[in-house]
Amino acid sequence: QLQLQESGPGLVKPSETLSLTCTVSGGSISSSSYYWGWIRQPPGKGLEWIGSIYYSGSTYYNPSLKSRVTISVDTSKNQFSLKLSSVTAADTAVYYCARHVLVGATYGWGQGTLVTVSS
Amino acid sequence: QPVLTQSSSASASLGSSVKLTCTLSSGHSSYIIAWHQQQPGKAPRYLMKLEGSGSYNKGSGVPDRFSGSSSGADRYLTISNLQSEDEADYYCETWDSNTRVFGGGTKLTVL
Repeated sequence: QLQLQESGPGLVKPSETLSLTCTVSGGSISSSSYYWGWIRQPPGKGLEWIGSIYYSGSTYYNPSLKSRVTISVDTSKNQFSLKLSSVTAADTAVYYCARHVLVGATYGWGQGTLVTVSS
Repeated sequence: QPVLTQSSSASASLGSSVKLTCTLSSGHSSYIIAWHQQQPGKAPRYLMKLEGSGSYNKGSGVPDRFSGSSSGADRYLTISNLQSEDEADYYCETWDSNTRVFGGGTKLTVL
């Protein structure tokens, strides 16, 4: 059964870079059928897609965040990662990693990790 | 890019039925969507994929009480025989080749 687990610091200072990793188990990140993505949810608000990556390294990002986002993949570790630069309090959110079908729905979700931006 | 519109809240009584709506923006009425459920304090959970024809495919373990339908740009999620555990936020999602969008979510209260 597919499992996705986010890891990384729960507290990041303003203007610094938020870094998270998602470890995939129960399935290969190198599957040709899926993209792997990051989605966030500010406290009390809705879901916002951040960006997604294919195992080959091909990426696509939310235009509103594109200038600050980098998503990478490490197939040897079955992991993919998120970096969000120049963070502010508005980036405080629960960050989820997820699996999307190639040009299709989000089928699997991690449990989420809260990242707070504060000095 | 497509935009999805959902009512912010809905309510229905225990044991009754409720129909939630997700509306696709102009020019995107043929898009396929997905419905997700987020119970309080939990991660979202995939419920189903729903096509413009009204055909839908549910995720593993999703009860028969959940069904989907479509009319024009509207996509519906119907929950029958409402249970207390159905009290949750419901999000619709759509996508194309280079973007992915979520609706604002509907908070369902079971009375």
